[in-house]
Parts: sequence; structure tokens; C-alpha cells
Amino acid sequence: DAKTTQPNSMESNEEEPVHLPCNHSTISGTDYIHWYRQLPSQGPEYVIHGLTSNVNNRMASLAIAEDRKSSTLILHRATLRDAAVYYCILRAIQGAQKLVFGQGTRLTINP
Amino acid sequence: DAGITQSPRHKVTETGTPVTLRCHQTENHRYMYWYRQDPGHGLRLIHYSYGVKDTDKGEVSDGYSVSRSKTEDFLLTLESATSSQTSVYFCAIRDSLYEQYFGPGTRLTVT
Repeated sequence: DAKTTQPNSMESNEEEPVHLPCNHSTISGTDYIHWYRQLPSQGPEYVIHGLTSNVNNRMASLAIAEDRKSSTLILHRATLRDAAVYYCILRAIQGAQKLVFGQGTRLTINP
Repeated sequence: DAGITQSPRHKVTETGTPVTLRCHQTENHRYMYWYRQDPGHGLRLIHYSYGVKDTDKGEVSDGYSVSRSKTEDFLLTLESATSSQTSVYFCAIRDSLYEQYFGPGTRLTVT
């Protein structure tokens, strides 16, 4: 399974944008990039995913580098409820769709 | 809500006793997964199922077995619990868009 590298922790302020980076230099051409987040004492929840083009949804935006070796999850206006561990995961297009979770980035939001 | 529940939510058991955790879905999805999460680790896949009676191992399957006799239920069994199996266990289902939805978790303590 291709691996991802994320910073262990990041800090931001409420109502400011947050850019969470992820490196995946060994990504294959058919791997999707998924982001999940885990709020305290809860199971992970899906945030967004993409293949090549940038993606937007109600929760966040995903910016994918042209060579696909890195991506950035963008929270446009962070709230205290966005404090969580964010996981960047590569998912193979075929097969059982197993997700391999790394350590993730612990995001702290300051009021 | 994705319609996924886990039972029990908390359990304390003694070393050597059998334990069964249940995951129930109301969504009729084909794929179901069991993960464990320990401090300092992301989620690690134990077993998964791709249909009734169809299961396969994940990365940390030793000491665990699973069964899926109905689409809606996926059982995880610890035949003889050990202290190293003290963990939080999450069940997940995968929808047709390849998003995984996670249950609330079961906190298992083996004394």
C-alpha cells in the first residue's frame, strides 16, 4: 500500500483558513486520495476524496498537485468543532477498498 | 446517520474468556470492516467482509475471527481474550461511492 506523510500536529485560529498538507510520493495512477477526520471520542468520518482534479464539498476543499505526489485539505473557515485528527489515505481503485490509516495530523483550533 | 450500530459499547472481561462484538447496519451494504485503535496508532484493519459468508484478513487479524451470516450483521470474536486486545474497536461499512462510515466504537478492556 502506498504511504502518506502528514505533520503530527497543526494549530490555527477560529474563523481562519486551515491548509493540511499530505505527501504521497509513491502514489499510483489509480489511487484515490481520501481524507477522513476523527473528532474526540468518535469514529472517523469521511471528509472528501479526489483522483486528479481539485474537489469541493460542504465540508472542505481538496487541492491535488499536478504530479499527484501531494495534496492539501483546505478548511475555509475553521471552527472549534473542526478540532480533530485528520487522516490522508490512499485508496486503490480495485479490490476490497481497504483503508490504511497513518498517524494523521492533530488539528488544534484556538478561539 | 449511516445506520451503523455497535454493541456492546463498553465491555470489561477477564483474560482467557471469549468475547463477541456485534456490528449492525441498516443500509444493506456489501462491505463491512472491523478496525482497532490504540493510543499512538491510527486505525488498523482486523478483518473485513465483502458479502455474506465472505471474509478476509486485515493487517492485525491474529487472535480474532469474524462471521457474517446476514448482510446486516458482522461479528468479531476474540476466542480467548488477552490484555493486548484491550482497545477501542470500530466497525465500518462502505457505500457505493466508496466512502466508509464508522460506528461509534466499542471500548474493550481485558483484565
